[in-house]
Amino acid sequence: RKEVEQDPGPFNVPEGATVAFNCTYSNSASQSFFWYRQDCRKEPKLLMSVYSSGNEDGRFTAQLNRASQYISLLIRDSKLSDSATYLCVVNRWGNQGGKLIFGQGTELSVKP
Amino acid sequence: SQTIHQWPATLVQPVGSPLSLECTVEGTSNPNLYWYRQAAGRGLQLLFYSVGIGQISSEVPQNLSASRPQDRQFILSSKKLLLSDSGFYLCAWRGVGGYGYTFGSGTRLTVV
Repeated sequence: RKEVEQDPGPFNVPEGATVAFNCTYSNSASQSFFWYRQDCRKEPKLLMSVYSSGNEDGRFTAQLNRASQYISLLIRDSKLSDSATYLCVVNRWGNQGGKLIFGQGTELSVKP
Repeated sequence: SQTIHQWPATLVQPVGSPLSLECTVEGTSNPNLYWYRQAAGRGLQLLFYSVGIGQISSEVPQNLSASRPQDRQFILSSKKLLLSDSGFYLCAWRGVGGYGYTFGSGTRLTVV
């Protein structure tokens, strides 16, 4: 079983739609959580951190449920520019510092 | 401000040839440094990480090695490339006490 698992994609949605991505992680030692965005053939870039209380950044809302080891990302009012692959990421701390473990990513395609 | 540089951006190498990819970070000191690989259609896999000069931790057994000769320099090497070494290689850094990671722009390696 992969340490971080995401919804299989791709998600094809019209502009203005609301889309939700789900993610589960298996290692309870995971201590911090992120969503990264990766455009085609580019490096991943941090979209937002995910806090236990849930957090919002404009049209993006992230939620974390530590008991269920579940993370979500909600995008409201999708734009064409939201088309990308969204990566669920957990930071697992050890005696050598933290290591980011990535999910496989879910591809989102927003259509006019 | 901190920046991370990777080069080259694209590389085509024959099977059996050596490899050296370099990553440097500017504007910070004592960063944690990471090498990831993303195979075509796959997620990011952590290859190596380093918490200081000369300190290298390997995540998976493979045909590659890493070195950190200076505080802000991280090098990924191979003596003899395999076809399976093809992929998108990404260097990342995290500052001391930092939270998220920042990625370089990556090197797309094709072994032929």
